[in-house]
Amino acid sequence: NAGVTQTPKFQVLKTGQSMTLQCAQDMNHNSMYWYRQDPGMGLRLIYYSASEGTTDKGEVPNGYNVSRLNKREFSLRLESAAPSQTSVYFCASSGWDRNYGYTFGSGTRLTVV
Amino acid sequence: GEDVEQSLFLSVREGDSSVINCTYTDSSSTYLYWYKQEPGAGLQLLTYIFSNMDMKQDQRLTVLLNKKDKHLSLRIADTQTGDSAIYFCAERKGNTPLVFGKGTRLSVIA
Repeated sequence: NAGVTQTPKFQVLKTGQSMTLQCAQDMNHNSMYWYRQDPGMGLRLIYYSASEGTTDKGEVPNGYNVSRLNKREFSLRLESAAPSQTSVYFCASSGWDRNYGYTFGSGTRLTVV
Repeated sequence: GEDVEQSLFLSVREGDSSVINCTYTDSSSTYLYWYKQEPGAGLQLLTYIFSNMDMKQDQRLTVLLNKKDKHLSLRIADTQTGDSAIYFCAERKGNTPLVFGKGTRLSVIA
């Protein structure tokens, strides 16, 4: 099925460890996004990539880095995880569709202990 | 205001209508969206409305747009237990990323 695939679905890290969250889309979308979702905070944009070769900071970029590997893939890296980064992370993509809406992945639930 | 505002909770009885309200930030926003998030899942696009429309109906869903007051609403007719979820309002301003509200948690009581 066409869509946005995120891996892993669940992860537990110790404080200070690093990891990369992977995201891939197969809809030929130009733009990709990383959000985090915390209780009572809604969705907050971490980074986005408007097109292949570009990345921009969102609302909460500190502690994260991203790579737009190619048109399909957009990864999110935590270099030194902190408990404040415990969250559910969503990747999304959008293209020049009729309504320009986003397609979301199913999320990665990350716990930092 | 700077934020897309939504009330956090709504509780309705099965079979009643639900109305979820949203106030957005920019009267020049081009598209406005409603997303649904079921427990443990990502967000799914439920419906959207283009800014030159006042109303859009899609089966049990009715979206109303009041551009003057920057107010968007989603009405779900004959609400079912399967409609229990978090509903997010979002606006598109130019080419910048969508701005989402914090979400309204809809609880349907059988």
